[in-house]
Amino acid sequence: QKEVEQNSGPLSVPEGAIASLNCTYSDRGSQSFFWYRQYSGKSPELIMFIYSNGDKEDGRFTAQLNKASQYVSLLIRDSQPSDSATYLCAGEPGNTPLVFGKGTRLSVIA
Amino acid sequence: DAGITQSPRYKITETGRQVTLMCHQTWSHSYMFWYRQDLGHGLRLIYYSAAADITDKGEVPDGYVVSRSKTENFPLTLESATRSQTSVYFCASSAGSAREQYFGPGTRLTVT
Repeated sequence: QKEVEQNSGPLSVPEGAIASLNCTYSDRGSQSFFWYRQYSGKSPELIMFIYSNGDKEDGRFTAQLNKASQYVSLLIRDSQPSDSATYLCAGEPGNTPLVFGKGTRLSVIA
Repeated sequence: DAGITQSPRYKITETGRQVTLMCHQTWSHSYMFWYRQDLGHGLRLIYYSAAADITDKGEVPDGYVVSRSKTENFPLTLESATRSQTSVYFCASSAGSAREQYFGPGTRLTVT
């Protein structure tokens, strides 16, 4: 079964620190990975996607992909209380719908 | 307005009743998806559709029916609602099965 695993948290970080969110996946054939942010009571919102090994930066967010280790991460620099949310990782196992992890709850403490 | 919308946003129904949740997208995305989200389970795929008149089961299809006669609409019907179907339902769309998905605002359904 194709799975995406995330630590449910909560992950607590102080304001201004780097938050590191991690995700592992079981399907070696997965090529693309997506990070979604979900505020309480709201729908998931796409924040980044990554297709290639290495890092991809977008503002305060950096996605990292290591296909050899089957590992994806999201770094949030200069974390703000407004970053407090659940972060969902999703992988694409090839010609089938995305597989979502259960999410990691991030709490940024002011 | 462009985007993906769901209606109703909130619904309370009784056990055994039929209820239909609506989803409409204006991007002309070929793929549409229905998920339910429950505490401890994350997002679970109910049904998806690759195009008009093409639908396929997801992880938890039992008790649900879908149709897609037009590209922009993807209604989800609970033929005889049960309490276990109390959940938040999200519709999503994407340009391809392996592409990023965009979610609607959700429908909170309570079955009493």
